[in-house]
Amino acid sequence: GDSVTQMEGPVTLSEEAFLTINCTYTATGYPSLFWYVQYPGEGLQLLLKATKADDKGSNKGFEATYRKETTSFHLEKGSVQVSDSAVYFCALSEKGFETSGSRLTFGEGTQLTVNP
Amino acid sequence: NAGVMQNPRHLVRRRGQEARLRCSPMKGHSHVYWYRQLPEEGLKFMVYLQKENIIDESGMPKERFSAEFPKEGPSILRIQQVVRGDSAAYFCASSLNDGGPYEQYFGPGTRLTVT
Repeated sequence: GDSVTQMEGPVTLSEEAFLTINCTYTATGYPSLFWYVQYPGEGLQLLLKATKADDKGSNKGFEATYRKETTSFHLEKGSVQVSDSAVYFCALSEKGFETSGSRLTFGEGTQLTVNP
Repeated sequence: NAGVMQNPRHLVRRRGQEARLRCSPMKGHSHVYWYRQLPEEGLKFMVYLQKENIIDESGMPKERFSAEFPKEGPSILRIQQVVRGDSAAYFCASSLNDGGPYEQYFGPGTRLTVT
């Protein structure tokens, strides 16, 4: 079945450092890929998405590129802020968001802490 | 527009009791998904429902767990005779009706602790 593997955390960085969180996936067909963020005490929020190979999703300074050849969707940000401290989840959907019933398969989550 | 609501936010049950978790989808949404997050793990899909219909329950444990989404009122995830291994965070997500896109919006979760 489908699966998502994220780099193990936690990750601790200083403000303005470069961030990479690795994500690789296994899926049949051509899934859509997502990064979700969870702030303390809140639900998951969609951070960015990519629906086909070579697509780049971006939002709030975060980017991730759908790499079919390496089955990866690594999350990057050039300069992190304290407010980016949260748990980040990589996820995939076989059907994408254009079809109803598209369940999500999540990675384990990576806790990011950014210190001032 | 209120987001996805879940209650209670925290629930403590003793072994053998029943747990009822409620999820009110966003206004205009009629698709509901339930996910479970065990300690130190990612979220795992449990069930997908539309109003009055269970569409996909392939992630639900075979016993003690049930879900419903009635025509009126919230979706309910029910766990009978809880055991310690049921302790987890349970998240609900909702998405739009027909026409898409079907982005899933998540609630804050219910943290269930079984003592």
